[in-house]
Amino acid sequence: GAVVSQHPSRVICKSGTSVKIECRSLDFQATTMFWYRQFPKQSLMLMATSNEGSKATYEQGVEKDKFLINHASLTLSTLTVTSAHPEDSSFYICSARDPETRPGNTEAFFGQGTRLTVV
Amino acid sequence: AQSVAQPEDQVNVAEGNPLTVKCTYSVSGNPYLFWYVQYPNRGLQFLLKYITGDNLVKGSYGFEAEFNKSQTSFHLKKPSALVSDSALYFCAVRSTGGGNKLTFGTGTQLKVEL
Repeated sequence: GAVVSQHPSRVICKSGTSVKIECRSLDFQATTMFWYRQFPKQSLMLMATSNEGSKATYEQGVEKDKFLINHASLTLSTLTVTSAHPEDSSFYICSARDPETRPGNTEAFFGQGTRLTVV
Repeated sequence: AQSVAQPEDQVNVAEGNPLTVKCTYSVSGNPYLFWYVQYPNRGLQFLLKYITGDNLVKGSYGFEAEFNKSQTSFHLKKPSALVSDSALYFCAVRSTGGGNKLTFGTGTQLKVEL
């Protein structure tokens, strides 16, 4: 299956700093990637849809100025948590589908996730 | 709006016994249905999917799922559970009517004991 790589797997940062998480599709091109947030023992919450070459689409209630998404190439999307606070501590996961030419008909592949801890 | 329900937070089963993890869904039109498994501090791994065709779908690691349109269910099953199957399982749905959004259930923690 297709491979999605996410980096870093763990990061600890101080309150007020910004953290960047990368999501790469290693063996396919993804015009669309998805960013999820997962709280302990809870399901995945879709935060935003990342679109290559255009602005991301954010879900209701997600602060776009807080969670900056950039999808500058067909294989890379980044999520930057700006001015991080302890309540931003969570598990962040990205995903993409391959091939994009069959929308809805194929499974999504997920990165390994990033555990963010803000102290 | 589409939704997925996984009524059991946790399922316990003895190794060697059959297991079932339940999932029901609600979607406009025909569904695409998926099962994923998550190990601690890891992303989701794809297990199997239903797109069309046979209602019984076979996937990775001996898992299978049965699509039941009348009951809007897509239960995950395995004839003989292994301790290594212990993990968090997610059911997900996407509408064939378009759009990219994948909606997840709340997850079911499977615990297989010796």
